[in-house]
Amino acid sequence: AQSVTQPDIHITVSEGASLELRCNYSYGATPYLFWYVQSPGQGLQLLLKYFSGDTLVQGIKGFEAEFKRSQSSFNLRKPSVHWSDAAEYFCAVKSPGRRALTFGSGTRLQVQP
Amino acid sequence: EAGVAQSPRYKIIEKRQSVAFWCNPISGHATLYWYQQILGQGPKLLIQFQNNGVVDDSQLPKDRFSAERLKGVDSTLKIQPAKLEDSAVYLCASSSGWENEKLFFGSGTQLSVL
Repeated sequence: AQSVTQPDIHITVSEGASLELRCNYSYGATPYLFWYVQSPGQGLQLLLKYFSGDTLVQGIKGFEAEFKRSQSSFNLRKPSVHWSDAAEYFCAVKSPGRRALTFGSGTRLQVQP
Repeated sequence: EAGVAQSPRYKIIEKRQSVAFWCNPISGHATLYWYQQILGQGPKLLIQFQNNGVVDDSQLPKDRFSAERLKGVDSTLKIQPAKLEDSAVYLCASSSGWENEKLFFGSGTQLSVL
């Protein structure tokens, strides 16, 4: 069965600093990979997704993620964090041919002024 | 375009009571999902519909949870009777059904079981 691990429960960064959120997946082949963001009281919003091709994926709000097959990872990055980026971030996987997503447990990002 | 609508926004009930949640997906979206998100965890799929048929309900606790999408549009999720551990946010999502199409999520219904 496919699974997703987000090893960091909570991360605090200073505004303007760079950010990397970790995501590791377990799946026999290359799954489809996603990053979602959830602000308090809001629904989940898709930041970016990877299906195939270029392993560096650009998303909304200045986020990017890199797929590394050898490490089974899909880490999310942002070069300079803004206070409005404070939220919960979820990595998710989907098996080709199956539409439902399997989510990780999330990483809560706090941004210090 | 209008997003995924869910109601109510909040619900507080006592254990052993029943509760129902409603979801109206984006117009034209064939696939509808119900997810349960317990505090501190990621969303977990409860049930997936394709039009009015169930595609996956393997993680739905069928002794107490039920869901329907009779006309292939809106959907209701019911819990009867509720337990304390059912306290969670219940998220509805929809997609067009195409392989690579993204899921659109509603804001969820926050359930507290006392």
